[in-house]
Amino acid sequence: DAGITQSPRHKVTETGTPVTLRCHQTENHRYMYWYRQDPGHGLRLIHYSYGVKDTDKGEVSDGYSVSRSKTEDFLLTLESATSSQTSVYFCAISESTRVTDTQYFGPGTRLTVL
Amino acid sequence: GNSVTQMEGPVTLSEEAFLTINCTYTATGYPSLFWYVQYPGEGLQLLLKATKADDKGSNKGFEATYRKETTSFHLEKGSVQVSDSAVYFCALSGNTGNQFYFGTGTSLTVIP
Repeated sequence: DAGITQSPRHKVTETGTPVTLRCHQTENHRYMYWYRQDPGHGLRLIHYSYGVKDTDKGEVSDGYSVSRSKTEDFLLTLESATSSQTSVYFCAISESTRVTDTQYFGPGTRLTVL
Repeated sequence: GNSVTQMEGPVTLSEEAFLTINCTYTATGYPSLFWYVQYPGEGLQLLLKATKADDKGSNKGFEATYRKETTSFHLEKGSVQVSDSAVYFCALSGNTGNQFYFGTGTSLTVIP
């Protein structure tokens, strides 16, 4: 299994509060991704990173920001959480962006915004 | 653009039944195709993949063949077990930035 951990694994917060989710990898992979998983939508890409301090937006980036100060850590921040951001969040990593490369996923963080 | 369409679930089968989960895709260029499996409370695990037309991916008794002419990548297993109960996601990787596109997932329950 790829060495990917996510923290926290579960979080309940209130509308309007800031929330930061952490993804940590031990594989030294260059590329990291944040997805959210919602019923009827599968997984949708929020943001991704192609190196330290290099990030870009995905399909559903509004309301989210990311940072990557070290190869191994990729942080996802909800500046002011809303109920529509209640979801399960997955981090993924890949070694390169070759179309044949696999993405490996972390265990997920279940976030509930009340 | 790129997209993946999977058959709606949930699917309930008896143990030892034959499984097919349909997946079709729309893509530009030459994507790779993947099946991931998600067990309850866990992340997605790669089940199998195929990187070019007519390739067959296989793992743990599951198989899928990359059919360019029908733009399909159907998942099959000849005899399912209770332990196969999970959600299955079809995905494709696009040509830029390794962006993945996922289907909505198909929930499978296998009963003894």
